[in-house]
Amino acid sequence: AQSVTQPDIHITVSEGASLELRCNYSYGATPYLFWYVQSPGQGLQLLLKYFSGDTLVQGIKGFEAEFKRSQSSFNLRKPSVHWSDAAEYFCAVGGGGADGLTFGKGTHLIIQP
Amino acid sequence: GAGVSQSPRYKVAKRGQDVALRCDPISGHVSLFWYQQALGQGPEFLTYFQNEAQLDKSGLPSDRFFAERPEGSVSTLKIQRTQQEDSAVYLCASTLNPSSGIYNEQFFGPGTRLTVL
Repeated sequence: AQSVTQPDIHITVSEGASLELRCNYSYGATPYLFWYVQSPGQGLQLLLKYFSGDTLVQGIKGFEAEFKRSQSSFNLRKPSVHWSDAAEYFCAVGGGGADGLTFGKGTHLIIQP
Repeated sequence: GAGVSQSPRYKVAKRGQDVALRCDPISGHVSLFWYQQALGQGPEFLTYFQNEAQLDKSGLPSDRFFAERPEGSVSTLKIQRTQQEDSAVYLCASTLNPSSGIYNEQFFGPGTRLTVL
């Protein structure tokens, strides 16, 4: 069965500092991997996705993620966070097409001034 | 429409009541998904439609949960005899074309927050 683990429930980062959110997955075939962001009262917004090819993918809002097959990881990074980045971040895996996504439990990002 | 819409945004029900949650997908989107997001958790897959056909309902937690999409557009998730453990945010997502092996981004609605007292 597929699963996603986000080991950090909360992360606090100072504004302007770099960020890395961890994600490990378990999937039987080649996975499609995603990072979503959810602000309070809002739906999920796709930050970036990995299907194949270049293992470093760029997304919106200055985020990037690196797929490492050997470590079954897909960590999200940003070189310099802004206060507006405070939100809940979800990593997800799917098989593509008609598959429902399997989400991790999320990481709550807090930005300190 | 411009995006996926859901109504109502908030619903309070007394235990034992039936509720109906509505999802309007993006116009022309063939696939529709329902997810349940409990407090402090990630969304969990409930069910999937391709047009009016419900192709996967493996995630529905009990037979009190029922979903339909009779004309292949608007979908309704119905929960009968609600229980406190049904309290959650119910998210709907739609995608354009479910071609096998090709990913189509799921666009999510804002969700309906259901509270069962």
